[in-house]
Amino acid sequence: QVQLVESGGGVVQPGGSPRLSCAASGFSFSNHGMHWVRQAPGKGLEWVAFIWYDGSNKYYADSVKGRFTISRDNSKNTLFLQMNSLRPEDTAVYYCAKDPHYYSSGTFDSWGQGTLVTVSS
Amino acid sequence: QSVLTQPPSVSAAPGQKVTISCSGSSSNIGNNYVSWYQHLPGTAPKLLIYENNKRPSGIPDRFSGSKSGTSATLGITGLQTGDEADYYCGTWDSSLSAGVFGGGTKLTVL
Repeated sequence: QVQLVESGGGVVQPGGSPRLSCAASGFSFSNHGMHWVRQAPGKGLEWVAFIWYDGSNKYYADSVKGRFTISRDNSKNTLFLQMNSLRPEDTAVYYCAKDPHYYSSGTFDSWGQGTLVTVSS
Repeated sequence: QSVLTQPPSVSAAPGQKVTISCSGSSSNIGNNYVSWYQHLPGTAPKLLIYENNKRPSGIPDRFSGSKSGTSATLGITGLQTGDEADYYCGTWDSSLSAGVFGGGTKLTVL
């Protein structure tokens, strides 16, 4: 079965640069686009970024554009989110999610359990 | 403010039916498939409906989806206390080149 396991969260100072990872198994990772979605405390789901199956196209929410970078290593079935210039409003649980297609259909058919990033001094 | 608009909350008695609306525009719902998610605090969101009205394997037929123009609706029949959760609609916005969600609807089964 599909399994997505995020890691890399924790407490980070404002301006910090953590990198989140998402280890994927149970499906052909290199054939699927992948998303990052976050949920701030007490708030709803917010889409963060998407990467095509081969890494050739990437899309970002305006709130993170220029600060976050999504990438993937298909040889290691792993998705990444490099987060730079973190702000308190980036505090959230970050989920990786699988798209059923190689492009973005805006559908998230499997999700990880999430990793909490807390931006605080 | 979310790109897609959902009611903040809905409620109904066990065994009854409830609907949750999701309103958007031509750049998102109007020209792309809509999906629906169930989210319990502390757990991973779960896909309930994809491509407007299809159910993944394992999702009971008590859950249904529909779309008309720039709006979509999630229906839940035979409500159970275990259905209490937050429900989100989602799609792709072709103008923004971004994924978009509704603000979420909290379902209370009285």
